Amino acid sequence: DIQMTQSPSSLSASVGDRVTITCQASQDISNYLNWYQQKPGKAPKVLIYDSSSLETGVPSRFSGSGSGTDFTFTISSLQPEDIASYYCQQSHNLPLTFGGGTKVEIK
Amino acid sequence: QITLKESGPTLVKPTQTLTLTCTFSGFSLSTGEVGVGWIRQPPGKALEWLALIYWDDDKDYSPSLQSRLTITRDTSKNQVVLTMTNMDPVDTATYYCARHSMVRGTEYFQHWGQGTLVTVSS
Repeated sequence: DIQMTQSPSSLSASVGDRVTITCQASQDISNYLNWYQQKPGKAPKVLIYDSSSLETGVPSRFSGSGSGTDFTFTISSLQPEDIASYYCQQSHNLPLTFGGGTKVEIK
Repeated sequence: QITLKESGPTLVKPTQTLTLTCTFSGFSLSTGEVGVGWIRQPPGKALEWLALIYWDDDKDYSPSLQSRLTITRDTSKNQVVLTMTNMDPVDTATYYCARHSMVRGTEYFQHWGQGTLVTVSS
């Protein structure tokens, strides 16, 4: 199985801050990396697929980059509505695997 | 508009079999490059993929749970059913179904149901 390691597990930032989350795969997954946002009590929602492609309707302050084993998810200017947990997920190999999540809070 | 909704028991006893139904609309599971998957999330924990069924009726399972899982579809009813045998309290989780899309060579869970919390307790 491909292990997905996310860091940090939680962070606190101010509105307007740039927020960065990293995700490391245990082996090369090319660009097959997706990012999901999960607000409290809600289902996950895809924000980024294929490492850097923005899902339709998702604000442009969200972005992703990386390939191989190292990936980055960025919120360019944190907004109050971005309070959520964020998960990476690889789709290179079965079984599909998710990272442990990053909880983002407002300072 | 694509929607998915999970249904099934909220409480099951240990050793029982869980049957969950995902009823969807806005797409057909007979269309190419589409699948429906199940993902679960224990309270306060991360997401875990369980199973996938594709437009061609191919199926994939999490190896760690494969012996306990069965996924089937009813294309006439737009439903996907997941059964999990021999339930244990560690299987307590919110269970989600999601549409699995294949776009330009990549794959991801594009649309999700609201989830259903299943508690395993005697």
